[in-house]
Amino acid sequence: GNSVTQMEGPVTLSEEAFLTINCTYTATGYPSLFWYVQYPGEGLQLLLKATKADDKGSNKGFEATYRKETTSFHLEKGSVQVSDSAVYFCALRSGSARQLTFGSGTQLTVLP
Amino acid sequence: SQTIHQWPATLVQPVGSPLSLECTVEGTSNPNLYWYRQAAGRGLQLLFYSVGIGQISSEVPQNLSASRPQDRQFILSSKKLLLSDSGFYLCAWSVLQGRHYGYTFGSGTRLTVV
Repeated sequence: GNSVTQMEGPVTLSEEAFLTINCTYTATGYPSLFWYVQYPGEGLQLLLKATKADDKGSNKGFEATYRKETTSFHLEKGSVQVSDSAVYFCALRSGSARQLTFGSGTQLTVLP
Repeated sequence: SQTIHQWPATLVQPVGSPLSLECTVEGTSNPNLYWYRQAAGRGLQLLFYSVGIGQISSEVPQNLSASRPQDRQFILSSKKLLLSDSGFYLCAWSVLQGRHYGYTFGSGTRLTVV
């Protein structure tokens, strides 16, 4: 079956630090990969996605590259801000499945 | 615009009491609808999904049920809550956008069973 393994949190960084949140997956076929972000008191929002190998998704300074050889989709940002504090979820959708499979989420806190 | 409404935001219920969480969507028709749950320290787990009125698929056996009485309404219910039903419940919908599905999530309900 499909599964997503995500770096456990919580992660606490100082402003302008470099961020990496690891995500690896197992799936049948060639899944699409996603990062969602949940800000306090809000629903999940799509942050970025990649639909095939070697694609790089990017948004708001965040990036993630679909690595088929290592089955990974690590989230990175070069310089985090306090406003990036949120919970980040890695997810995949495989083949014709309509539903998403999520990782456990990583709580990020950025201190000024 | 496309929006999703989910309520309540937080709920504290005693063991054995009934549950009804409601989710409604606007700005789209015939969406796929989902209920997800996140238990403490675990990922989002798909509970139910629906591709149309009255059509419900259950992903895991549990103490909960779902219904879709209208195209844009999805209800999560329980007749008698268990302590293990505590968690964070998210409603979501998806529609095909080009070749891929786009998903929109509600803001979630934090349920504590005491």
